[in-house]
Amino acid sequence: EAGVVQSPRYKIIEKKQPVAFWCNPISGHNTLYWYLQNLGQGPELLIRYENEEAVDDSQLPKDRFSAERLKGVDSTLKIQPAELGDSAVYLCASSFGVYTGELFFGEGSRLTVL
Amino acid sequence: DAKTTQPPSMDCAEGRAANLPCNHSTISGNEYVYWYRQIHSQGPQYIIHGLKNNETNEMASLIITEDRKSSTLILPHATLRDTAVYYCIVRGANQAGTALIFGKGTTLSVSS
Repeated sequence: EAGVVQSPRYKIIEKKQPVAFWCNPISGHNTLYWYLQNLGQGPELLIRYENEEAVDDSQLPKDRFSAERLKGVDSTLKIQPAELGDSAVYLCASSFGVYTGELFFGEGSRLTVL
Repeated sequence: DAKTTQPPSMDCAEGRAANLPCNHSTISGNEYVYWYRQIHSQGPQYIIHGLKNNETNEMASLIITEDRKSSTLILPHATLRDTAVYYCIVRGANQAGTALIFGKGTTLSVSS
C-alpha cells in the first residue's frame, strides 16, 4: 500500500514568489494534517482537515498561507507571497479517524526561499 | 496536553539496547504516551504508544512507570539505521483529532 505522497520534494524560489505543495494521503484516511518543520525543531501543526472541512487552522498564517482539500482526498498548501522565513520542510500526514494518534507522514517538501 | 521532557541527545553502540527516557510528570489519567522517530530527511514515523501497561511491538518496547510520570522507549538491539530523532508525545484519548504536539526530541546516534 502506498504511503503519503508529497510533491515537490524540493523547491527553491525567490522571495515574493508563490509556491504550492501537494499531498496525496493514504487511501481511506479521512483526516489530513499539514505540519511545518524548521531546522532543529519538531513539526508544528498548520492545519487539520476532516474530509473536506478545515477543522483546525488556528496556526495557519492566513495572510499568506492557504490550503484546500477538494473532494476530501488530495490537498494543496499554498504560500503567496513567500518570505525568507518560510524556508522550512512542509510535512503532510494522514490518519484514519479522528481519535487515533497514529499518523502517517510523507517525506516532506523542503522549501528554500532566496 | 501534558508536556514532555527528553534529553537532547544520546549515544548507543550498535547491537546494544538503546533506552530513551521521557518525563511527563503532569500527565493525566486519560492521556496516552506516543513515540515517533524521524530519520534524517524523512517524515516522522510512528513507533508505539501506551496508556499504563508496558507495550511491545516489532520495533520497540515501551515501559511506563506505575505513577505514569515517566516512560522509557527501548530499542533492544540498536542498529545504525536507528540513528534518528525520537519524539515522546502525550495525547488525550478523547481529544478528537487533536494534533500531536512535537517537542525537540532526543537525537539518538548509533555507532559501530
